[in-house]
Amino acid sequence: DTGVSQDPRHKITKRGQNVTFRCDPISEHNRLYWYRQTLGQGPEFLTYFQNEAQLEKSRLLSDRFSAERPKGSFSTLEIQRTEQGDSAMYLCASRPLSVARPKGANEKLFFGSGTQLSVL
Amino acid sequence: GQSLEQPSEVTAVEGAIVQINCTYQTSGFYGLSWYQQHDGGAPTFLSYNALDGLEETGRFSSFLSRSDSYGYLLLQELQMKDSASYFCAVRSLHSGSARQLTFGSGTQLTVLP
Repeated sequence: DTGVSQDPRHKITKRGQNVTFRCDPISEHNRLYWYRQTLGQGPEFLTYFQNEAQLEKSRLLSDRFSAERPKGSFSTLEIQRTEQGDSAMYLCASRPLSVARPKGANEKLFFGSGTQLSVL
Repeated sequence: GQSLEQPSEVTAVEGAIVQINCTYQTSGFYGLSWYQQHDGGAPTFLSYNALDGLEETGRFSSFLSRSDSYGYLLLQELQMKDSASYFCAVRSLHSGSARQLTFGSGTQLTVLP
């Protein structure tokens, strides 16, 4: 278990630029999530993949945001025409296929350390 | 939708016991989870209550009362390393959002020497 890794750890960009973040989930995990977190708040759900299929998207995910998971392994989150309000920590999480045991296993997300985005 | 409320800050001394409360409004959920997040770190799973009652995991315990729409995380024998933010979270029963966890805004715990 090498953990969920995210790249880059920090990204500073100017308003209007496009940015792309990468997430490598734990290898046997077929479920992948993107969350956004601002200071003093809990993570907010953005989108969810099961294998390569994007099955849920939050209303927070404007059309400037797009996420992919082309081969069901790593995922990318792209933000086009960034705005200052996009400044946040972008967290990726993964978990394996649903299992009956142990109890709570389906609730346990494994998070990466995130990409901190600052839009100037 | 779901909403979860937690106190924003809690302070306690090393060795003490602290309880972090979570009240929620939801039309149906699988259970209540708790996550810990140190400054600059990743949220990490602590515990999960599917049913009413107390779940114990070492120094940490978590409680759920569905009839009261309430849960709490109990931390015993506090250590300095427990200083972190703690989040409660639920996953909706509704098929349109059943796969996502909804988090509270978090409680910042400060443990003093």
